[in-house]
Amino acid sequence: QSALTQPASVSGSPGQSIAISCTGTNTDIGGYNYVSWYQRHPGKSPKRIISEVTNRPSGVSDRFSISKSGNTASLTITGLRPEDEAEYFCVSYSSDDTWLFGGGTKLTVL
Amino acid sequence: QVQLVQSGAEVKQPGASVRISCKTSGYTLTRYHMHWIRHVPGQGPEWMGIINSGGGGSRYAQRFQGRLTLIRDTSTSTDYLELSGLKSEDTAVYYCAKDFSWGFDYWGQGTPVTVSS
Repeated sequence: QSALTQPASVSGSPGQSIAISCTGTNTDIGGYNYVSWYQRHPGKSPKRIISEVTNRPSGVSDRFSISKSGNTASLTITGLRPEDEAEYFCVSYSSDDTWLFGGGTKLTVL
Repeated sequence: QVQLVQSGAEVKQPGASVRISCKTSGYTLTRYHMHWIRHVPGQGPEWMGIINSGGGGSRYAQRFQGRLTLIRDTSTSTDYLELSGLKSEDTAVYYCAKDFSWGFDYWGQGTPVTVSS
């Protein structure tokens, strides 16, 4: 069981918007502005797509955005495209000086 | 460009040790920390530990204390993970990931480790 809680799956049609939640506690997500999100296509290494500290790396679409409320962070993808179909997981720094992961969310573009 | 190239797949018996390398290029190794993360199939990824930029110190997740050693060889720009006392539950894909602003900006390609008798 992962330290951060994500839905196992979400889906949307091309052009739609979806949001993926990531819930932790006040000793990780709620206690720091150090949440980051990663995308992983099957057979590939994870790719950083956005973080609270540095926002989006160059080359990552502005269709990806993040928000946070209390102990829950969210990744929103607008204008869904077939190539967005992948696994997404969140990461947060924690007060015990470790990094915590979400269990991952499989995004299906219908 | 930044590259992290890991060593190949390993098959080990229970109780054995494994050593995985992460050869870096495209940046100065000693300016950045390196994380190690593993991903057990069907579960979320798990942070294992971090080796500091200069290579002089490391910190491990509590569940790996005593079994995990992270090593940095600055002469070859290569980081290493050593995990001892392997159990079947250690079967996973292991990744090195370069630290950047409280996250990870570049990842190795992953090294599958299978622990089986």
